[in-house]
Amino acid sequence: KAGVTQTPRYLIKTRGQQVTLSCSPISGHRSVSWYQQTPGQGLQFLFEYFSETQRNKGNFPGRFSGRQFSNSRSEMNVSTLELGDSALYLCASSTGTSNDEQYFGPGTRLTVT
Amino acid sequence: GESVGLHLPTLSVQEGDNSIINCAYSNSASDYFIWYKQESGKGPQFIIDIRSNMDKRQGQRVTVLLNKTVKHLSLQIAATQPGDSAVYFCAEKRTGRRALTFGSGTRLQVQP
Repeated sequence: KAGVTQTPRYLIKTRGQQVTLSCSPISGHRSVSWYQQTPGQGLQFLFEYFSETQRNKGNFPGRFSGRQFSNSRSEMNVSTLELGDSALYLCASSTGTSNDEQYFGPGTRLTVT
Repeated sequence: GESVGLHLPTLSVQEGDNSIINCAYSNSASDYFIWYKQESGKGPQFIIDIRSNMDKRQGQRVTVLLNKTVKHLSLQIAATQPGDSAVYFCAEKRTGRRALTFGSGTRLQVQP
């Protein structure tokens, strides 16, 4: 079956702009988690959505937000972009049950100039 | 494109040798641990997991060891192949929580 897809794969934005990233989970998966990966901070958890509800949230400012649709597709939004938001944004798809395997997409590479 | 840290510790091994990658975790409440492999331009890929009620688990060519006393995790790869070259991350979580906490990663380079 098809894996996790993320669009776009690459994005260049300017400081102050906002951006929306999209993630389509594996068919049948109801949980989508988002992670930020940077050279300095590594992989950090942003938030997780399950059945259109945010279940868990990491320690990121309110500029980072997300949502999930009834078909389990998820989007994350970053407003008022800062240079430090340049990163690889990864989404992970899973069934949503305890200790289920999370399948990562290829990520969206965001560059803020 | 690059997707991992620029200053990762690097383990260089010869093809056919065994590799051991180590990880120290921080949260004594974590009870579920996973090893991921990340190749350039890709997202992390699940390798093997282990629960805290175990101290060893084996997969195909891989073994994970867990020492809860010193909060240490290791990944052993047998007969390392060039295709094993990647960055390896350990991750920890607590049952009931969704967030994975990742280690900083180790780059494995396999010399032919």
